[in-house]
Amino acid sequence: QVQLQESGPGLVKPSQTLSLTCTVSGGSISSGSYYWSWIRQPAGKGLEWIGHIHTSGSTNYNPSLKSRVTISVDTSKNQFSLKLSSVTAADMAVYYCARGNRYGVGATRGAFDIWGQGTMVTVSS
Amino acid sequence: DIQMTQSPSSLSASVGDRVTITCRASQSISSYLNWYQQKPGKAPKLLIYAASSLQSGVPSRFSGSGSGTDFTLTISSLQPEDFATYYCQQSYSTPPEITFGQGTRLEIK
Repeated sequence: QVQLQESGPGLVKPSQTLSLTCTVSGGSISSGSYYWSWIRQPAGKGLEWIGHIHTSGSTNYNPSLKSRVTISVDTSKNQFSLKLSSVTAADMAVYYCARGNRYGVGATRGAFDIWGQGTMVTVSS
Repeated sequence: DIQMTQSPSSLSASVGDRVTITCRASQSISSYLNWYQQKPGKAPKLLIYAASSLQSGVPSRFSGSGSGTDFTLTISSLQPEDFATYYCQQSYSTPPEITFGQGTRLEIK
């Protein structure tokens, strides 16, 4: 079955760029119609959707983060990545990658049915 | 953006209890509502999608209902492994602007 695994630096300096990668195993990232997504959760708080990249290559981002976010895919490595620029302490969180899957054939909406285990990112000098 | 508000924010219950958690959207989201369970230190797990469809492998004591702006997640008979935090999430917005509720923490009484 498909599994997701986040990787990347656990410590980022303020004003620098956070870079994380999600490796997809058990299936091809370029097959099907999925939304490869990033979601974060500050310690003790709720979930915040960051954005996604569709199998087709189209992207959508949370408007509150859009100016600082880039999500891309590397099909040769079966990975997708997150870059978040100009980080501050407010960006400290556990970052999850997840697969967005449509409700069914012909459906236009969906849910996050597979998640990575999450990776903690600290912002500190 | 569409705001999702869950109630209560926390809840104490006993094993065997029937529990209901409510999620309200700031505008109609049809049935584009999902529920997740999260245990400490773990990733969220999809329980219910499209308001009332049970995700594969999820016990039948979990059920969801609602449409429009008001939704509920019901656990018919609480089991020890059900004590966790529950989140609702809307997938209605176009272009996608996905939002979650603030969470409901379910604790042992």
